Amino acid sequence: DAGVIQSPRHEVTEMGQEVTLRCKPISGHNSLFWYRQTMMRGLELLIYFNNNVPIDDSGMPEDRFSAKMPNASFSTLKIQPSEPRDSAVYFCASSPRSGGGSDTQYFGPGTRLTVL
Amino acid sequence: RKEVEQDPGPFNVPEGATVAFNCTYSNSASQSFFWYRQDCRKEPKLLMSVYSSGNEDGRFTAQLNRASQYISLLIRDSKLSDSATYLCVVRGNTDKLIFGTGTRLQVFP
Repeated sequence: DAGVIQSPRHEVTEMGQEVTLRCKPISGHNSLFWYRQTMMRGLELLIYFNNNVPIDDSGMPEDRFSAKMPNASFSTLKIQPSEPRDSAVYFCASSPRSGGGSDTQYFGPGTRLTVL
Repeated sequence: RKEVEQDPGPFNVPEGATVAFNCTYSNSASQSFFWYRQDCRKEPKLLMSVYSSGNEDGRFTAQLNRASQYISLLIRDSKLSDSATYLCVVRGNTDKLIFGTGTRLQVFP
């Protein structure tokens, strides 16, 4: 069974450009989480969805960041315009949690973003 | 104060050693507790859940002390392959998991 799929795996872009990160959760999982990881701040939750609905976006750093989940099998995290301080590894995770399932989260391989 | 605090290490131990990691959490209403493992440049993966009665999985033993808001992980007979960062993770009364910054373990021959 495929795990969480993220694309691209690596992204190098210039300051000011738009960046779109993509995630396909594990089939049947109805909770999806976007995280950012840096050496300084560790793993931070940006936003999470239950049944495609955003539940908590308090971790989104600012208006430059937006996330969508148009259906149960796809989510995007967009940064526009990107800045060098956005350089980090962005992880997507899914869980069968919503509806009383297990709260174990399964992480994708991450997207390593570098903004020059 | 961070919601989940861990000693960052690194812990450098020889093969065969026993090593223990500790973690404290600030939210007394926390409901679920986990240890995740993250290898260098990889994603975090669940190592084990932590239950109030304590639980063991092979060489790994996890303990929870709700009164002291303290979680521990003990690794016996360390292997080279145990080298990784160990993340203490807590869930409150929502679906959010709060991750500690991790404790790095390096096992040497």
